[in-house]
Amino acid sequence: ETGVTQTPRHLVMGMTNKKSLKCEQHLGHNAMYWYKQSAKKPLELMFVYSLEERVENNSVPSRFSPECPNSSHLFLHLHTLQPEDSALYLCASSQATGGHTEAFFGQGTRLTVV
Amino acid sequence: AQSVTQLDSQVPVFEEAPVELRCNYSSSVSVYLFWYVQYPNQGLQLLLKYLSGSTLVKGINGFEAEFNKSQTSFHLRKPSVHISDTAEYFCAAWNYGGATNKLIFGTGTLLAVQP
Repeated sequence: ETGVTQTPRHLVMGMTNKKSLKCEQHLGHNAMYWYKQSAKKPLELMFVYSLEERVENNSVPSRFSPECPNSSHLFLHLHTLQPEDSALYLCASSQATGGHTEAFFGQGTRLTVV
Repeated sequence: AQSVTQLDSQVPVFEEAPVELRCNYSSSVSVYLFWYVQYPNQGLQLLLKYLSGSTLVKGINGFEAEFNKSQTSFHLRKPSVHISDTAEYFCAAWNYGGATNKLIFGTGTLLAVQP
């Protein structure tokens, strides 16, 4: 248990569906992140939120839409995804971005797009 | 390029043997360095970190790593591995610059411990 909880753990969705991934942290951290982990590829940083403000959008397609309503919650809204979007989506949080701080990760959501 | 490099995609080793997983970082990333472990179908868990001070850092599960500034390396070691150490290991560093600082990762090394 790392203090970062992701739901659901597994998700299968069709290409025309709309779904959301949820991430919650109760560590009092100020920064939250979405990473994508595909097979045989490095972890890709998708979005960074610091103090609830999006500070980084790593050229992610608009079919992925993040939302950070408060410092404890982060969502990733999904719509009209493609099969190549199937991956493990990891949420993380840290006290700050950079410096003497480590990131804590959730268990991930295994997404399969059919 | 601003990067963290793990040259070995897979390291097979017999149980109770020593192991070293290699990590090199580019001079343009910070020297705040981390090793994470990922067990199957799990998230990433911090093994150890180097922030400053002693270049030899000890982590959980008997792992340790040595920061070597001249060789820009941060290799992970364990003197005697167990079957339960089978997992993927990621080296990471904070990358400064751009809109915000980013924690960037190497491509991972799969440690496969055989009986």
